[in-house]
Amino acid sequence: GENVEQHPSTLSVQEGDSAVIKCTYSDSASNYFPWYKQELGKGPQLIIDIRSNVGEKKDQRIAVTLNKTAKHFSLHITETQPEDSAVYFCAASLGGGGADGLTFGKGTHLIIQP
Amino acid sequence: SAVISQKPSRDICQRGTSLTIQCQVDSQVTMMFWYRQQPGQSLTLIATANQGSEATYESGFVIDKFPISRPNLTFSTLTVSNMSPEDSSIYLCSAGLADEQFFGPGTRLTVL
Repeated sequence: GENVEQHPSTLSVQEGDSAVIKCTYSDSASNYFPWYKQELGKGPQLIIDIRSNVGEKKDQRIAVTLNKTAKHFSLHITETQPEDSAVYFCAASLGGGGADGLTFGKGTHLIIQP
Repeated sequence: SAVISQKPSRDICQRGTSLTIQCQVDSQVTMMFWYRQQPGQSLTLIATANQGSEATYESGFVIDKFPISRPNLTFSTLTVSNMSPEDSSIYLCSAGLADEQFFGPGTRLTVL
């Protein structure tokens, strides 16, 4: 089955700097790659996703890139703010977010230092 | 997006008992999913619940332990049966809508 590796497990950045979280996946048939933000005591919140026919997607301060050949994808957050502090999970699935269950990475605890 | 609610939000149960968790979606969805998240850990898919058919379980999860119902397009339940302390975890439901997946707030279960 699919295996998703995520790095780093903890990332501390100064407020205003950029943060990058990287994931690799094992199944070349995977075609949907979402990113979730989870705050303490809450369920995961979808923040951005990318599909295999797209190399990059951006939404304000957040961007995701996908390299299908290398089977890795990354989350980029620019101009970080204190409210960006949370645990971020990458995930992958075969059939799209609505049709298939997701395989998650182990998560990255992002800490924004004031 | 979809708004998903779960009941109960948390519970403390005795070993050997069962707990049924309810998941309600504010839109009609074909696919619903159940995940387990141990404290400080990642999410693991338990099963997929497609309305009108039997749930499909992932390796390591069985129907006798985690029976699932999916009576209509907005509702699902997960039962954790014959609980042991190892079942202490957060249980999350999610729904597939417009080719994206949205999560409920989770149910925090502690088994004594």
